[in-house]
Amino acid sequence: DVKVTQSSRYLVKRTGEKVFLECVQDMDHENMFWYRQDPGLGLRLIYFSYDVKMKEKGDIPEGYSVSREKKERFSLILESASTNQTSMYLCASSFTGRGLATDTQYFGPGTRLTVL
Amino acid sequence: AQKITQTQPGMFVQEKEAVTLDCTYDTSDQSYGLFWYKQPSSGEMIFLIYQGSYDEQNATEGRYSLNFQKARKSANLVISASQLGDSAMYFCAIGGTSYGKLTFGQGTILTVHP
Repeated sequence: DVKVTQSSRYLVKRTGEKVFLECVQDMDHENMFWYRQDPGLGLRLIYFSYDVKMKEKGDIPEGYSVSREKKERFSLILESASTNQTSMYLCASSFTGRGLATDTQYFGPGTRLTVL
Repeated sequence: AQKITQTQPGMFVQEKEAVTLDCTYDTSDQSYGLFWYKQPSSGEMIFLIYQGSYDEQNATEGRYSLNFQKARKSANLVISASQLGDSAMYFCAIGGTSYGKLTFGQGTILTVHP
């Protein structure tokens, strides 16, 4: 079974703090993703990575950065946390295998971040 | 650009009945995939079912089936014989060939009554 883990289920930080969210997958997937989920808005893509040290902006990258130094690990960084970054953060990974369409993304359990 | 529309914010169904969750999509890709995920109150996203745009038959996975109507750009999820454990948020998503990115709908909350 695919296993995607996230470093924390719940996190409380103060405005202005630097926040690191870690994600690890054990299936040798090329692609990794960070989403945030807010009520009524579904999941919105923040950043994704298709290879080590490669990253691409998603739909809402402002205020975030990412790091992928090893294939299995993808980190989301909030350089200076703000209250509007209070949200549920979900990490996912997928294998680039099919020729015609995208492969299934497998998700971690999520991190509920509260910024006070 | 790709878009998913889920028009049902909430749905109710009686235990053991079937329920259909609606999903329509828009895409300019010729090749794409449609996905359904379940999110229980615990928060984890669970993959349910996948349909490729070139698949001629509707996908099925146990009690889940995907009613794919390409001309109408719809990909509805059908859950047969609902169970109390099916109560959750359900998301429809579409992906093309761009690095495995998915676009999600806003979700439908399903409540199964005993």
